[in-house]
Amino acid sequence: GQNIDQPTEMTATEGAIVQINCTYQTSGFNGLFWYQQHAGEAPTFLSYNVLDGLEEKGRFSSFLSRSKGYSYLLLKELQMKDSASYLCAVLYTGGFKTIFGAGTRLFVKA
Amino acid sequence: GAGVSQSPSNKVTEKGKDVELRCDPISGHTALYWYRQSLGQGLEFLIYFQGNSAPDKSGLPSDRFSAERTGGSVSTLTIQRTQQEDSAVYLCASSLRADEQYFGPGTRLTVT
Repeated sequence: GQNIDQPTEMTATEGAIVQINCTYQTSGFNGLFWYQQHAGEAPTFLSYNVLDGLEEKGRFSSFLSRSKGYSYLLLKELQMKDSASYLCAVLYTGGFKTIFGAGTRLFVKA
Repeated sequence: GAGVSQSPSNKVTEKGKDVELRCDPISGHTALYWYRQSLGQGLEFLIYFQGNSAPDKSGLPSDRFSAERTGGSVSTLTIQRTQQEDSAVYLCASSLRADEQYFGPGTRLTVT
């Protein structure tokens, strides 16, 4: 199957930490992307995980568990500019086909 | 360097008309992707091209949709006999590897 599930919306406070979860039920899994998309703009790349574990890039970290079909994006020290949609996407083996989840809209409040 | 460009940025068309959307990938990128994004939704995979291989058309929603990529560079997505449900933002992306995609600004299509 190609079900990729993530929460529709989340709200967090400036300066706090937020975790956005993504689960997938898919065979042929190769890797998992996280993208950020501000309203009216194109998605921009945040991370790509292939191996299990946590990868940290500044205020953003991404975690993958292949056996559990689970990933999360962790945003620390939230800023107002982090208000955006966060898209989880799965890359299939054997090619370049990438399937996106519906996205999580994050609202950061003061 | 130049990123992915798409034209037109906005297109308004009448139901039943055909439209062509253009994508210019980053120079040298061998892979090119088309996605559709309806308002407030995630990206829906349509098709991708990789080098000289046959394109993966598995995401095209109907036979009214087609795409071609000439000379391994520019791509055109054609929608025939447009319907109101085709209204969306059409995004193009390109890449050298499978673990990266660079997106263009999109074409907003409105079918009236």
